Amino acid sequence: KAGVTQTPRYLIKTRGQQVTLSCSPISGHRSVSWYQQTPGQGLQFLFEYFSETQRNKGNFPGRFSGRQFSNSRSEMNVSTLELGDSALYLCASSLRGEEQFFGPGTRLTVL
Amino acid sequence: AQSVTQPDIHITVSEGASLELRCNYSYGATPYLFWYVQSPGQGLQLLLKYFSGDTLVQGIKGFEAEFKRSQSSFNLRKPSVHWSDAAEYFCAVVPGDSSYKLIFGSGTRLLVRP
Repeated sequence: KAGVTQTPRYLIKTRGQQVTLSCSPISGHRSVSWYQQTPGQGLQFLFEYFSETQRNKGNFPGRFSGRQFSNSRSEMNVSTLELGDSALYLCASSLRGEEQFFGPGTRLTVL
Repeated sequence: AQSVTQPDIHITVSEGASLELRCNYSYGATPYLFWYVQSPGQGLQLLLKYFSGDTLVQGIKGFEAEFKRSQSSFNLRKPSVHWSDAAEYFCAVVPGDSSYKLIFGSGTRLLVRP
């Protein structure tokens, strides 16, 4: 079974721009979660989608949003990028939510 | 406050030596417990998990962890470390409050001396 895939792997943007990251979960998994990893804050939960519905949300501003499609693929969007949004964004998939398998991440650099 | 604590930021061990990485959590109910490993520039790989039952769980790559409810701990162990084990290790919990967000500790970086 193929693992979790994330595209693109690397992104460079400038402040004020917006960005969309994509995640394809493991076949059959219906839950997709997103996490932000930074040296200062560590790993923080952004949100979780299950069957196209946002089921949980972390403590991030409204500039961070996401969605999930009927095939379970998920996208997250960050609008009006700030320097502090530079991070590794990790997607995780799960059958129901408990046991999560991570993708390789998207490294976002904001200049 | 609910949290996951990994008290050791760095640990250095010699190849072939035993390893124990510490993890404590503060949640009322017994959460689901996990250990993940991350190599530089990579995503997180699940080493092992505890949901219920036997408190000593076996994982991949020769790792094991023991859940101790009285100490709110879930320490990771390996009897003999290999150079390829050098990485960062994260303890994580799903609080069991009907949300499925993983709460991570701050990580322990393992260095292996040849």
